[in-house]
Amino acid sequence: AQTVTQSQPEMSVQEAETVTLSCTYDTSESNYYLFWYKQPPSRQMILVIRQEAYKQQNATENRFSVNFQKAAKSFSLKISDSQLGDTAMYFCAFLQGGSEKLVFGKGTKLTVNP
Amino acid sequence: SQTIHQWPATLVQPVGSPLSLECTVEGTSNPNLYWYRQAAGRGLQLLFYSVGIGQISSEVPQNLSASRPQDRQFILSSKKLLLSDSGFYLCAWRFTGGNNSPLHFGNGTRLTVT
Repeated sequence: AQTVTQSQPEMSVQEAETVTLSCTYDTSESNYYLFWYKQPPSRQMILVIRQEAYKQQNATENRFSVNFQKAAKSFSLKISDSQLGDTAMYFCAFLQGGSEKLVFGKGTKLTVNP
Repeated sequence: SQTIHQWPATLVQPVGSPLSLECTVEGTSNPNLYWYRQAAGRGLQLLFYSVGIGQISSEVPQNLSASRPQDRQFILSSKKLLLSDSGFYLCAWRFTGGNNSPLHFGNGTRLTVT
């Protein structure tokens, strides 16, 4: 079974600085998809960014970008110019191609300090 | 556009009482539907998912059950709640057949079993 590991339970960053959240996954498949979700204190789950494994180019969404290292099975999230509103739990998720089940990591609690 | 409704937002129930959480999706047909549970300080655990009316896949053997009586309605139930059923329950949907289609979540139900 696929597993997703987020090794940083908590992190903090100063406003306007850059922070990187780590995620590794375990799979023997070559066709899969990766996602980062954000869960602010309101607990609403919000999609931040997604990456297809067959794409070599790293996905980018405004201040959010990923570093996808397929050989290392690593999918880190970089947040640039951190804002107070970025304070949230961040979850990495894995979806195997052809499967209907997204597997989530345990999350990283990010605090952006003023 | 698609929307997902989940209710109630909060619920306090005594041990041994029944449970019914409801989720509906608007603006799409034949979505895949999911129930996740998030225990305090932990990641998301997939409980059930459904790819069509009457089709339920159970991921974790437990005190809960799910049903999909209509195309866009997903219900989480229990005949007798346990203390361990307390948690934050999230309903989600995604497009059928789109492997990179992300999950879209409802606002969640905070269940406290006393």
